[in-house]
Amino acid sequence: SAVISQKPSRDICQRGTSLTIQCQVDSQVTMMFWYRQQPGQSLTLIATANQGSEATYESGFVIDKFPISRPNLTFSTLTVSNLSPEDSSIYLCSVWGLFNENEQFFGPGTRLTVL
Amino acid sequence: GENVEQHPSTLSVQEGDSAVIKCTYSDSASNYFPWYKQELGKRPQLIIDIRSNVGEKKDQRIAVTLNKTAKHFSLHITETQPEDSAVYFCAASIGRGSGNTGKLIFGQGTTLQVKP
Repeated sequence: SAVISQKPSRDICQRGTSLTIQCQVDSQVTMMFWYRQQPGQSLTLIATANQGSEATYESGFVIDKFPISRPNLTFSTLTVSNLSPEDSSIYLCSVWGLFNENEQFFGPGTRLTVL
Repeated sequence: GENVEQHPSTLSVQEGDSAVIKCTYSDSASNYFPWYKQELGKRPQLIIDIRSNVGEKKDQRIAVTLNKTAKHFSLHITETQPEDSAVYFCAASIGRGSGNTGKLIFGQGTTLQVKP
């Protein structure tokens, strides 16, 4: 059974629209993160999803573009707003400490294509 | 800001040979260094990690070495097999004081091809 699941697994969107990605974890976790992986590139941290408070964004990422919710310790959403072709990427959620103290475990990812 | 440099970007070896991938990091507070393997269309998966109080760690054909003074760590794969072909990413934790933020900064990735 899946430990971390993401919905949708992939989507094709028109520019100017928004896409909300869901991340569900089987167990309660303290730390949850969202990463972006542009085509052929490495992983870049977007933000830390904080339970019950506003997300903490990394340099170059802003809340208006990437609003994040974390209503509880097992669930988070990432919205990519006002889509442009440059937003075409794989978006991955990850959790920290699910299996052992230091391991960061990734969800399966959501492949977004913006036309 | 924090940075992780990874080399080489591509690596091609014959089956049975060894492969070495090297990374350097900039954040002196980094204390955790994982390596991830990503196969095409799949999520990154942790293959080995090392903490700053250890200089070397081995797991079967995979080993990682860490030189904290030089801020340098390496992945060594021995007796490579075609199924080792994938993209490998190094990462370093982003420290904050004496704590750990849980955040990772990733290297640029190395595409390893193992030829049968």
